[in-house]
Amino acid sequence: DSGVTQTPKHLITATGQRVTLRCSPRSGDLSVYWYQQSLDQGLQFLIQYYNGEERAKGNILERFSAQQFPDLHSELNLSSLELGDSALYFCASSPGTATSYEQYFGPGTRLTVT
Amino acid sequence: DAKTTQPPSMDCAEGRAANLPCNHSTISGNEYVYWYRQIHSQGPQYIIHGLKNNETNEMASLIITEDRKSSTLILPHATLRDTAVYYCIVRPKAAGNKLTFGGGTRVLVKP
Repeated sequence: DSGVTQTPKHLITATGQRVTLRCSPRSGDLSVYWYQQSLDQGLQFLIQYYNGEERAKGNILERFSAQQFPDLHSELNLSSLELGDSALYFCASSPGTATSYEQYFGPGTRLTVT
Repeated sequence: DAKTTQPPSMDCAEGRAANLPCNHSTISGNEYVYWYRQIHSQGPQYIIHGLKNNETNEMASLIITEDRKSSTLILPHATLRDTAVYYCIVRPKAAGNKLTFGGGTRVLVKP
Protein backbone atom coordinates (compact mmCIF):
# COMPACT_ATOMS: atom_id res chain seq x y z
CA ASP A 1 0.00 0.00 0.00
CA SER A 2 1.60 3.24 -1.20
CA GLY A 3 -0.55 5.51 0.97
CA VAL A 4 -2.03 7.22 -2.09
CA THR A 5 -5.75 6.68 -2.52
CA GLN A 6 -7.84 7.12 -5.62
CA THR A 7 -11.58 7.02 -6.14
CA PRO A 8 -13.47 5.58 -7.82
CA LYS A 9 -11.70 2.37 -8.80
CA HIS A 10 -13.83 1.88 -11.85
CA LEU A 11 -15.93 4.29 -13.87
CA ILE A 12 -18.10 3.53 -16.88
CA THR A 13 -19.66 6.42 -18.73
CA ALA A 14 -20.88 7.43 -22.15
CA THR A 15 -19.26 9.60 -24.78
CA GLY A 16 -19.82 13.30 -24.27
CA GLN A 17 -20.11 13.00 -20.52
CA ARG A 18 -17.98 14.57 -17.79
CA VAL A 19 -16.31 12.76 -14.89
CA THR A 20 -14.17 13.66 -11.89
CA LEU A 21 -11.40 11.48 -10.54
CA ARG A 22 -10.18 12.04 -7.03
CA CYS A 23 -6.76 11.52 -5.45
CA SER A 24 -5.54 11.80 -1.88
CA PRO A 25 -1.75 11.96 -1.60
CA ARG A 26 0.38 10.34 1.07
CA SER A 27 0.32 12.18 4.36
CA GLY A 28 2.72 15.11 4.18
CA ASP A 29 3.29 14.97 0.42
CA LEU A 30 2.81 18.34 -1.27
CA SER A 31 3.20 17.29 -4.91
CA VAL A 32 0.54 15.43 -6.86
CA TYR A 33 0.98 14.04 -10.36
CA TRP A 34 -1.55 12.63 -12.79
CA TYR A 35 -0.71 10.00 -15.40
CA GLN A 36 -2.76 8.29 -18.08
CA GLN A 37 -2.12 4.74 -19.24
CA SER A 38 -3.82 3.58 -22.41
CA LEU A 39 -3.07 0.48 -24.44
CA ASP A 40 -1.62 2.36 -27.38
CA GLN A 41 0.15 5.24 -25.59
CA GLY A 42 1.61 3.63 -22.51
CA LEU A 43 2.06 5.64 -19.32
CA GLN A 44 1.98 9.37 -19.99
CA PHE A 45 2.41 12.29 -17.65
CA LEU A 46 -0.54 14.69 -17.65
CA ILE A 47 -0.01 17.37 -15.01
CA GLN A 48 1.65 18.14 -11.67
CA TYR A 49 0.52 20.28 -8.77
CA TYR A 50 2.60 21.44 -5.86
CA ASN A 51 0.92 22.83 -2.77
CA GLY A 52 -2.10 23.99 -4.74
CA GLU A 53 -0.26 25.48 -7.70
CA GLU A 54 0.18 23.96 -11.14
CA ARG A 55 3.85 23.12 -11.56
CA ALA A 56 4.22 21.21 -14.83
CA LYS A 57 2.07 20.18 -17.73
CA GLY A 58 2.45 17.23 -20.02
CA ASN A 59 0.26 15.80 -22.73
CA ILE A 60 -2.98 16.91 -21.16
CA LEU A 61 -5.88 17.63 -23.49
CA GLU A 62 -7.77 20.92 -23.25
CA ARG A 63 -10.88 18.89 -22.33
CA PHE A 64 -9.05 17.78 -19.19
CA SER A 65 -8.37 19.94 -16.17
CA ALA A 66 -7.11 19.40 -12.67
CA GLN A 67 -6.77 21.18 -9.38
CA GLN A 68 -5.26 20.65 -5.98
CA PHE A 69 -7.22 21.77 -2.96
CA PRO A 70 -5.99 23.32 0.32
CA ASP A 71 -6.15 19.90 2.01
CA LEU A 72 -3.83 18.72 -0.81
CA HIS A 73 -6.20 16.28 -2.40
CA SER A 74 -6.49 16.60 -6.15
CA GLU A 75 -9.18 16.12 -8.73
CA LEU A 76 -8.84 15.42 -12.43
CA ASN A 77 -11.82 16.52 -14.50
CA LEU A 78 -12.41 14.93 -17.87
CA SER A 79 -15.10 16.43 -20.09
CA SER A 80 -16.64 15.78 -23.51
CA LEU A 81 -15.41 12.25 -23.16
CA GLU A 82 -14.44 10.26 -26.22
CA LEU A 83 -13.91 6.54 -26.69
CA GLY A 84 -10.16 7.15 -26.81
CA ASP A 85 -10.19 8.52 -23.28
CA SER A 86 -10.75 5.01 -21.96
CA ALA A 87 -7.65 4.31 -19.90
CA LEU A 88 -6.19 3.82 -16.47
CA TYR A 89 -5.61 7.10 -14.68
CA PHE A 90 -2.97 7.11 -11.96
CA CYS A 91 -2.23 9.67 -9.35
CA ALA A 92 1.16 9.84 -7.66
CA SER A 93 2.56 11.96 -4.88
CA SER A 94 5.94 13.02 -3.58
CA PRO A 95 7.13 15.19 -0.69
CA GLY A 96 8.24 18.10 -2.84
CA THR A 97 9.59 19.02 -6.21
CA ALA A 98 13.24 18.05 -6.03
CA THR A 99 14.37 15.60 -8.67
CA SER A 100 15.69 13.25 -6.00
CA TYR A 101 12.24 12.42 -4.74
CA GLU A 102 10.57 9.21 -5.71
CA GLN A 103 6.88 9.20 -6.58
CA TYR A 104 4.35 6.91 -4.95
CA PHE A 105 1.47 5.82 -7.12
CA GLY A 106 -2.11 5.09 -6.23
CA PRO A 107 -4.03 2.04 -7.45
CA GLY A 108 -5.57 3.94 -10.34
CA THR A 109 -9.03 4.60 -11.72
CA ARG A 110 -10.09 2.56 -14.70
CA LEU A 111 -12.25 4.70 -16.97
CA THR A 112 -14.33 3.07 -19.67
CA VAL A 113 -16.11 5.32 -22.15
CA THR A 114 -18.83 3.58 -24.16
CA ASP B 1 15.14 14.39 -22.34
CA ALA B 2 17.63 11.60 -21.95
CA LYS B 3 16.10 8.51 -23.51
CA THR B 4 16.43 4.99 -22.24
CA THR B 5 16.63 1.71 -24.10
CA GLN B 6 15.55 -1.55 -22.51
CA PRO B 7 15.01 -5.04 -23.89
CA PRO B 8 11.28 -5.58 -24.41
CA SER B 9 11.14 -8.81 -22.48
CA MET B 10 13.15 -11.35 -20.53
CA ASP B 11 12.56 -14.52 -18.57
CA CYS B 12 14.09 -15.39 -15.26
CA ALA B 13 14.13 -18.53 -13.14
CA GLU B 14 12.62 -18.32 -9.69
CA GLY B 15 15.30 -18.02 -7.02
CA ARG B 16 17.90 -16.78 -9.45
CA ALA B 17 19.18 -13.24 -9.82
CA ALA B 18 17.50 -11.16 -12.50
CA ASN B 19 19.75 -8.62 -14.22
CA LEU B 20 17.82 -5.95 -16.10
CA PRO B 21 19.90 -3.72 -18.38
CA CYS B 22 19.19 -0.14 -19.38
CA ASN B 23 21.01 2.10 -21.78
CA HIS B 24 20.91 5.86 -21.26
CA SER B 25 23.83 7.12 -23.31
CA THR B 26 22.57 10.73 -23.50
CA ILE B 27 22.17 11.19 -19.75
CA SER B 28 23.24 14.56 -18.39
CA GLY B 29 25.53 15.08 -15.43
CA ASN B 30 22.94 15.66 -12.74
CA GLU B 31 20.14 13.46 -13.98
CA TYR B 32 19.11 10.55 -11.80
CA VAL B 33 18.38 7.01 -12.96
CA TYR B 34 15.14 5.64 -11.55
CA TRP B 35 13.61 2.20 -11.68
CA TYR B 36 9.93 1.52 -11.26
CA ARG B 37 7.90 -1.59 -11.87
CA GLN B 38 4.25 -2.20 -12.66
CA ILE B 39 2.60 -5.43 -11.71
CA HIS B 40 -0.37 -6.14 -13.97
CA SER B 41 -2.25 -2.82 -14.18
CA GLN B 42 -1.46 -1.85 -10.60
CA GLY B 43 0.07 1.55 -9.94
CA PRO B 44 3.79 1.71 -10.73
CA GLN B 45 5.97 0.95 -7.74
CA TYR B 46 9.21 2.75 -6.98
CA ILE B 47 12.18 0.40 -6.70
CA ILE B 48 15.40 2.36 -6.48
CA HIS B 49 17.26 5.35 -7.86
CA GLY B 50 20.83 6.57 -8.14
CA LEU B 51 22.99 9.34 -9.49
CA LYS B 52 26.45 7.88 -9.97
CA ASN B 53 27.17 5.42 -7.19
CA ASN B 54 25.80 1.93 -6.89
CA GLU B 55 22.78 1.68 -4.65
CA THR B 56 21.12 -1.14 -2.75
CA ASN B 57 17.91 -1.39 -0.81
CA GLU B 58 15.65 -4.16 0.40
CA MET B 59 14.20 -4.68 -3.06
CA ALA B 60 17.11 -4.46 -5.45
CA SER B 61 20.56 -3.23 -6.34
CA LEU B 62 21.37 -0.62 -8.94
CA ILE B 63 24.69 -0.69 -10.73
CA ILE B 64 25.54 2.42 -12.76
CA THR B 65 28.57 2.34 -15.04
CA GLU B 66 31.32 4.82 -14.43
CA ASP B 67 30.48 6.80 -17.57
CA ARG B 68 26.79 6.68 -16.48
CA LYS B 69 25.69 5.63 -19.94
CA SER B 70 24.10 2.44 -18.77
CA SER B 71 22.82 0.75 -15.64
CA THR B 72 21.66 -2.63 -14.42
CA LEU B 73 18.90 -3.38 -11.97
CA ILE B 74 19.53 -6.56 -10.03
CA LEU B 75 16.79 -8.49 -8.29
CA PRO B 76 18.92 -10.83 -6.18
CA HIS B 77 16.48 -13.71 -5.71
CA ALA B 78 13.57 -13.39 -8.12
CA THR B 79 10.19 -14.67 -6.98
CA LEU B 80 7.00 -15.23 -8.96
CA ARG B 81 5.69 -11.98 -7.48
CA ASP B 82 8.47 -10.10 -9.26
CA THR B 83 6.78 -10.76 -12.60
CA ALA B 84 6.09 -7.25 -13.87
CA VAL B 85 7.04 -4.58 -16.37
CA TYR B 86 10.20 -2.81 -15.23
CA TYR B 87 10.81 0.77 -16.28
CA CYS B 88 14.17 2.49 -16.36
CA ILE B 89 13.68 6.26 -16.29
CA VAL B 90 16.07 9.15 -16.41
CA ARG B 91 14.62 12.13 -14.62
CA PRO B 92 14.74 15.15 -16.92
CA LYS B 93 16.31 18.06 -15.13
CA ALA B 94 14.51 20.94 -16.84
CA ALA B 95 10.99 19.61 -17.04
CA GLY B 96 9.91 19.41 -13.44
CA ASN B 97 9.58 16.05 -11.84
CA LYS B 98 7.55 14.23 -14.40
CA LEU B 99 8.43 10.63 -15.05
CA THR B 100 8.71 9.73 -18.72
CA PHE B 101 7.93 6.04 -19.10
CA GLY B 102 9.16 4.11 -22.08
CA GLY B 103 8.16 0.62 -23.03
CA GLY B 104 9.99 -1.06 -20.18
CA THR B 105 11.08 -4.67 -19.91
CA ARG B 106 8.42 -7.30 -19.34
CA VAL B 107 9.97 -9.74 -16.90
CA LEU B 108 8.45 -13.18 -16.48
CA VAL B 109 9.72 -15.16 -13.50
CA LYS B 110 9.23 -18.86 -14.12
CA PRO B 111 9.10 -21.62 -11.51
